[in-house]
Amino acid sequence: AQKVTQAQTEISVVEKEDVTLDCVYETRDTTYYLFWYKQPPSGELVFLIRRNSFDEQNEISGRYSWNFQKSTSSFNFTITASQVVDSAVYFCALTKEDSSYKLIFGSGTRLLVRP
Amino acid sequence: GAGVSQSPSNKVTEKGKDVELRCDPISGHTALYWYRQSLGQGLEFLIYFQGNSAPDKSGLPSDRFSAERTGGSVSTLTIQRTQQEDSAVYLCASSSVGGTQYFGPGTRLLVL
Repeated sequence: AQKVTQAQTEISVVEKEDVTLDCVYETRDTTYYLFWYKQPPSGELVFLIRRNSFDEQNEISGRYSWNFQKSTSSFNFTITASQVVDSAVYFCALTKEDSSYKLIFGSGTRLLVRP
Repeated sequence: GAGVSQSPSNKVTEKGKDVELRCDPISGHTALYWYRQSLGQGLEFLIYFQGNSAPDKSGLPSDRFSAERTGGSVSTLTIQRTQQEDSAVYLCASSSVGGTQYFGPGTRLLVL
């Protein structure tokens, strides 16, 4: 069975600090996809990144970076120099290459960035 | 470009009543998904449409829940005889086949 674990329920940092959100997944599939979504207080889920299981290259997008390690089944997300606008709930998700591609979500990590 | 839209934004209903939730996917997206977000259960998959057919309904919690999609576009999720445990945010997402899912703003349902 597939599972995504986000052990950090809530993280609080002061603006400009770096913060890493952890994501550990379980799957028996060889082909799968990993995602991060952001849910700000407005409630809408905003897509951040998608990574397939064959691409272990780390990704950097502005202040955001992602570290994918198959050896530890982890797909961690780092925000550098955090800002108040980064305050949100962040979800890690997994899907496999099958007929539906439905997403299996972690429980989310609530990030609070204080000024 | 228009994203996924959902209506209504909020719905308050009495226990036992039926409700209909609507989703308009991104134009051209053939895949459409319904998810539910509740405090106790997190984000859960409900149903997947490819075109007008639903090959994966495995997440529907009971036979009170049904969904349809017409014209390969708009989808309606219907909950019959609502119960208090149905209170949640219902999220719709659309994608190309196997592509990234983009979500709508959700419908917040409160059953009194």
